Amino acid sequence: AQKITQTQPGMFVQEKEAVTLDCTYDTSDQSYGLFWYKQPSSGEMIFLIYQGSYDEQNATEGRYSLNFQKARKSANLVISASQLGDSAMYFCAMRGHGSSNTGKLIFGQGTTLQVKP
Amino acid sequence: DARVTQTPRHKVTEMGQEVTMRCQPILGHNTVFWYRQTMMQGLELLAYFRNRAPLDDSGMPKDRFSAEMPDATLATLKIQPSEPRDSAVYFCASGPAYLTEAFFGQGTRLTVV
Repeated sequence: AQKITQTQPGMFVQEKEAVTLDCTYDTSDQSYGLFWYKQPSSGEMIFLIYQGSYDEQNATEGRYSLNFQKARKSANLVISASQLGDSAMYFCAMRGHGSSNTGKLIFGQGTTLQVKP
Repeated sequence: DARVTQTPRHKVTEMGQEVTMRCQPILGHNTVFWYRQTMMQGLELLAYFRNRAPLDDSGMPKDRFSAEMPDATLATLKIQPSEPRDSAVYFCASGPAYLTEAFFGQGTRLTVV
Protein backbone atom coordinates (compact mmCIF):
# COMPACT_ATOMS: atom_id res chain seq x y z
CA ALA A 1 0.00 0.00 0.00
CA GLN A 2 1.11 3.53 -0.65
CA LYS A 3 1.52 6.07 2.09
CA ILE A 4 2.62 9.67 2.47
CA THR A 5 3.78 10.96 5.84
CA GLN A 6 4.25 14.58 6.86
CA THR A 7 5.44 14.60 10.45
CA GLN A 8 5.44 18.36 11.06
CA PRO A 9 1.92 19.59 11.84
CA GLY A 10 3.13 23.18 12.10
CA MET A 11 6.26 25.20 11.49
CA PHE A 12 7.46 28.76 11.88
CA VAL A 13 10.08 30.52 9.79
CA GLN A 14 11.44 34.04 9.83
CA GLU A 15 10.80 36.12 6.73
CA LYS A 16 13.63 35.87 4.17
CA GLU A 17 14.98 32.65 5.66
CA ALA A 18 14.82 29.23 4.01
CA VAL A 19 12.59 26.46 5.36
CA THR A 20 12.35 22.71 4.74
CA LEU A 21 9.06 20.84 4.94
CA ASP A 22 9.46 17.11 5.41
CA CYS A 23 7.75 14.37 3.45
CA THR A 24 8.42 10.66 3.45
CA TYR A 25 6.65 8.10 1.33
CA ASP A 26 6.21 4.39 1.03
CA THR A 27 5.54 2.52 -2.17
CA SER A 28 6.50 -0.71 -3.86
CA ASP A 29 6.17 0.84 -7.31
CA GLN A 30 9.33 1.43 -9.33
CA SER A 31 7.83 4.36 -11.15
CA TYR A 32 6.10 7.10 -9.21
CA GLY A 33 5.77 10.83 -8.94
CA LEU A 34 5.88 13.23 -6.03
CA PHE A 35 4.01 16.52 -5.81
CA TRP A 36 3.76 19.48 -3.49
CA TYR A 37 0.75 21.72 -3.14
CA LYS A 38 0.09 24.94 -1.26
CA GLN A 39 -3.28 25.69 0.31
CA PRO A 40 -3.58 29.27 1.59
CA SER A 41 -6.35 30.33 3.93
CA SER A 42 -8.55 31.07 0.89
CA GLY A 43 -8.80 27.31 0.41
CA GLU A 44 -7.56 26.84 -3.14
CA MET A 45 -5.05 24.09 -3.87
CA ILE A 46 -2.06 25.39 -5.78
CA PHE A 47 0.29 23.00 -7.58
CA LEU A 48 3.91 23.90 -6.78
CA ILE A 49 6.33 21.28 -8.02
CA TYR A 50 6.70 17.73 -9.35
CA GLN A 51 9.49 15.14 -9.14
CA GLY A 52 9.51 11.88 -11.06
CA SER A 53 11.14 8.85 -9.49
CA TYR A 54 13.51 8.48 -12.44
CA ASP A 55 14.49 12.15 -12.56
CA GLU A 56 18.17 12.40 -11.75
CA GLN A 57 18.10 16.03 -10.73
CA ASN A 58 16.05 17.64 -8.01
CA ALA A 59 13.11 19.62 -9.34
CA THR A 60 13.12 23.39 -8.92
CA GLU A 61 10.46 26.01 -9.58
CA GLY A 62 11.45 29.51 -8.64
CA ARG A 63 11.92 29.63 -4.86
CA TYR A 64 10.71 26.05 -4.48
CA SER A 65 12.96 23.05 -4.76
CA LEU A 66 12.33 19.42 -3.99
CA ASN A 67 15.07 17.59 -2.13
CA PHE A 68 14.55 14.07 -3.45
CA GLN A 69 16.39 11.28 -1.64
CA LYS A 70 15.21 8.08 -3.21
CA ALA A 71 17.01 5.66 -0.93
CA ARG A 72 15.53 7.35 2.10
CA LYS A 73 12.13 7.68 0.42
CA SER A 74 11.96 11.34 1.22
CA ALA A 75 10.82 14.28 -0.87
CA ASN A 76 11.27 17.40 1.20
CA LEU A 77 10.16 20.81 -0.04
CA VAL A 78 12.62 23.65 0.38
CA ILE A 79 11.33 27.20 0.20
CA SER A 80 14.09 29.77 -0.10
CA ALA A 81 13.80 33.40 0.99
CA SER A 82 10.43 32.96 2.72
CA GLN A 83 7.80 35.61 2.19
CA LEU A 84 4.74 36.47 4.26
CA GLY A 85 2.60 35.14 1.42
CA ASP A 86 4.12 31.70 1.89
CA SER A 87 2.08 31.25 5.07
CA ALA A 88 -0.23 28.38 4.21
CA MET A 89 -0.82 24.65 4.54
CA TYR A 90 1.51 22.55 2.39
CA PHE A 91 0.65 19.08 1.16
CA CYS A 92 2.92 16.39 -0.18
CA ALA A 93 1.34 13.90 -2.60
CA MET A 94 2.33 10.82 -4.56
CA ARG A 95 1.04 8.92 -7.51
CA GLY A 96 2.26 5.45 -8.25
CA HIS A 97 2.30 3.44 -11.42
CA GLY A 98 2.52 -0.25 -10.79
CA SER A 99 0.71 -3.31 -9.59
CA SER A 100 -0.12 -1.70 -6.28
CA ASN A 101 -1.52 1.41 -7.83
CA THR A 102 -3.18 2.49 -11.01
CA GLY A 103 -2.04 6.09 -10.90
CA LYS A 104 -4.16 7.54 -8.13
CA LEU A 105 -2.87 10.60 -6.35
CA ILE A 106 -2.78 10.38 -2.57
CA PHE A 107 -1.96 13.11 -0.05
CA GLY A 108 -0.24 13.50 3.28
CA GLN A 109 -1.86 15.24 6.22
CA GLY A 110 -0.19 18.56 5.53
CA THR A 111 2.12 21.00 7.33
CA THR A 112 1.04 24.47 8.34
CA LEU A 113 3.75 27.03 7.71
CA GLN A 114 3.71 30.45 9.31
CA VAL A 115 6.16 33.10 8.16
CA LYS A 116 7.04 35.68 10.78
CA PRO A 117 7.86 39.27 9.79
CA ASP B 1 -5.97 30.69 -18.81
CA ALA B 2 -6.73 26.98 -18.46
CA ARG B 3 -8.33 26.00 -15.20
CA VAL B 4 -10.53 23.38 -13.59
CA THR B 5 -14.02 24.75 -13.03
CA GLN B 6 -16.29 23.49 -10.28
CA THR B 7 -19.90 24.37 -9.67
CA PRO B 8 -21.49 25.30 -7.40
CA ARG B 9 -18.90 26.98 -5.18
CA HIS B 10 -21.16 26.74 -2.16
CA LYS B 11 -24.15 24.55 -1.43
CA VAL B 12 -26.37 24.40 1.64
CA THR B 13 -28.94 21.65 1.63
CA GLU B 14 -31.19 19.77 4.00
CA MET B 15 -30.48 16.26 5.09
CA GLY B 16 -31.99 13.75 2.70
CA GLN B 17 -31.75 15.93 -0.39
CA GLU B 18 -29.80 15.03 -3.49
CA VAL B 19 -26.65 17.03 -4.19
CA THR B 20 -24.89 17.19 -7.54
CA MET B 21 -21.46 18.74 -7.94
CA ARG B 22 -19.97 19.38 -11.35
CA CYS B 23 -16.45 19.69 -12.64
CA GLN B 24 -15.08 20.79 -15.99
CA PRO B 25 -11.51 19.51 -16.30
CA ILE B 26 -8.82 21.34 -18.24
CA LEU B 27 -9.18 20.69 -21.96
CA GLY B 28 -6.95 17.82 -22.99
CA HIS B 29 -6.56 16.38 -19.50
CA ASN B 30 -7.70 12.77 -19.42
CA THR B 31 -7.29 12.07 -15.69
CA VAL B 32 -9.86 13.42 -13.23
CA PHE B 33 -9.94 13.06 -9.46
CA TRP B 34 -12.60 13.79 -6.83
CA TYR B 35 -11.44 14.56 -3.28
CA ARG B 36 -13.18 15.43 -0.04
CA GLN B 37 -11.44 17.62 2.50
CA THR B 38 -12.36 17.82 6.17
CA MET B 39 -10.41 18.93 9.22
CA MET B 40 -10.53 15.45 10.71
CA GLN B 41 -9.73 13.32 7.66
CA GLY B 42 -7.70 15.68 5.50
CA LEU B 43 -7.81 15.10 1.75
CA GLU B 44 -9.54 11.85 0.92
CA LEU B 45 -9.59 10.46 -2.60
CA LEU B 46 -13.16 9.51 -3.44
CA ALA B 47 -12.85 8.47 -7.09
CA TYR B 48 -10.80 8.92 -10.17
CA PHE B 49 -11.16 8.52 -13.89
CA ARG B 50 -8.89 8.06 -16.85
CA ASN B 51 -10.28 8.60 -20.33
CA ARG B 52 -13.72 8.85 -18.68
CA ALA B 53 -13.48 5.32 -17.27
CA PRO B 54 -13.64 4.95 -13.48
CA LEU B 55 -10.39 3.41 -12.23
CA ASP B 56 -10.86 3.55 -8.50
CA ASP B 57 -13.81 4.58 -6.38
CA SER B 58 -12.88 2.60 -3.30
CA GLY B 59 -12.81 5.76 -1.18
CA MET B 60 -16.41 6.54 -1.89
CA PRO B 61 -19.40 5.40 0.22
CA LYS B 62 -21.18 3.38 -2.46
CA ASP B 63 -24.61 3.46 -0.92
CA ARG B 64 -25.05 7.21 -1.32
CA PHE B 65 -22.25 8.53 -3.55
CA SER B 66 -21.83 8.15 -7.27
CA ALA B 67 -19.35 9.63 -9.72
CA GLU B 68 -19.57 9.75 -13.49
CA MET B 69 -18.02 11.35 -16.54
CA PRO B 70 -20.77 11.69 -19.12
CA ASP B 71 -18.26 13.24 -21.52
CA ALA B 72 -14.67 14.48 -21.53
CA THR B 73 -15.68 17.97 -20.44
CA LEU B 74 -17.84 17.06 -17.47
CA ALA B 75 -17.41 15.04 -14.30
CA THR B 76 -20.18 14.78 -11.71
CA LEU B 77 -20.32 13.71 -8.09
CA LYS B 78 -23.73 12.97 -6.62
CA ILE B 79 -24.81 12.35 -3.06
CA GLN B 80 -28.25 10.87 -2.51
CA PRO B 81 -29.46 11.11 0.19
CA SER B 82 -27.15 13.66 1.78
CA GLU B 83 -26.32 13.53 5.48
CA PRO B 84 -24.78 16.10 7.85
CA ARG B 85 -21.52 14.08 7.95
CA ASP B 86 -21.12 14.78 4.22
CA SER B 87 -20.43 18.44 5.02
CA ALA B 88 -16.98 19.15 3.61
CA VAL B 89 -15.15 20.80 0.74
CA TYR B 90 -15.20 18.69 -2.40
CA PHE B 91 -12.41 19.19 -4.88
CA CYS B 92 -12.03 18.09 -8.44
CA ALA B 93 -8.57 17.90 -10.02
CA SER B 94 -7.41 17.07 -13.52
CA GLY B 95 -4.12 16.12 -15.09
CA PRO B 96 -2.56 14.85 -18.32
CA ALA B 97 -2.01 11.19 -19.14
CA TYR B 98 1.43 10.89 -17.53
CA LEU B 99 0.33 12.96 -14.54
CA THR B 100 3.37 15.13 -14.08
CA GLU B 101 1.03 17.84 -12.89
CA ALA B 102 -2.49 17.97 -11.52
CA PHE B 103 -4.58 21.10 -11.09
CA PHE B 104 -7.42 21.61 -8.68
CA GLY B 105 -10.68 23.43 -9.03
CA GLN B 106 -11.70 25.94 -6.39
CA GLY B 107 -13.85 23.37 -4.62
CA THR B 108 -17.49 23.08 -3.60
CA ARG B 109 -18.17 23.82 0.03
CA LEU B 110 -21.10 21.60 1.00
CA THR B 111 -23.10 22.09 4.16
CA VAL B 112 -25.83 19.59 4.99
CA VAL B 113 -28.16 20.71 7.77
